[in-house]
Amino acid sequence: EAGVAQSPRYKIIEKRQSVAFWCNPISGHATLYWYQQILGQGPKLLIQFQNNGVVDDSQLPKDRFSAERLKGVDSTLKIQPAKLEDSAVYLCASSLDPGAQGTQYFGPGTRLLVL
Amino acid sequence: AQTVTQSQPEMSVQEAETVTLSCTYDTSENNYYLFWYKQPPSRQMILVIRQEAYKQQNATENRFSVNFQKAAKSFSLKISDSQLGDTAMYFCAFMKQGTYKYIFGTGTRLKVLA
Repeated sequence: EAGVAQSPRYKIIEKRQSVAFWCNPISGHATLYWYQQILGQGPKLLIQFQNNGVVDDSQLPKDRFSAERLKGVDSTLKIQPAKLEDSAVYLCASSLDPGAQGTQYFGPGTRLLVL
Repeated sequence: AQTVTQSQPEMSVQEAETVTLSCTYDTSENNYYLFWYKQPPSRQMILVIRQEAYKQQNATENRFSVNFQKAAKSFSLKISDSQLGDTAMYFCAFMKQGTYKYIFGTGTRLKVLA
């Protein structure tokens, strides 16, 4: 079974530029998550999708971050314009629910550096 | 709001020895799940072990076991016969039943020494 795929793996941009990340969850997983992991901290949930609907985006900085999950499969996360403090690893995860008791499967992450 | 605390930023252990990582959490919920995830230097998070709060029996997965103390809101991870491949960041996570939403701790960096 293929795991969660993310691209790109690394990205370096200047502040005020825009950037987009892509995630392909495990086939059949209804729920998809985007996390931000700042160096030295635990992952923080940015947004949670159930199929193609948003379940929770309470911690998404909506003035600069946006995310979509068209057709309930792939998802993109965009930052526009980027700030220095957006430097982090962006993790995508998916889960099969209901069932599987909440286990989430994570992708390798995209490491973003904003200069 | 729920919080998860991992009070040990870094730990080290000799190969083949046993180490215990601590995790405490704060919640008013009765039905929840607790998880330990491992994040090796390649950065892909992998589930180590999961505990359902309604189960009194501590979960075990090969060399990994937990000590779940519901009343004390404590959920420690014991790694027996430590191996070099266990070197990683370990995150404790809480999930309220039905939300499918994790609250992570800040992590413990574990180094296994040869």
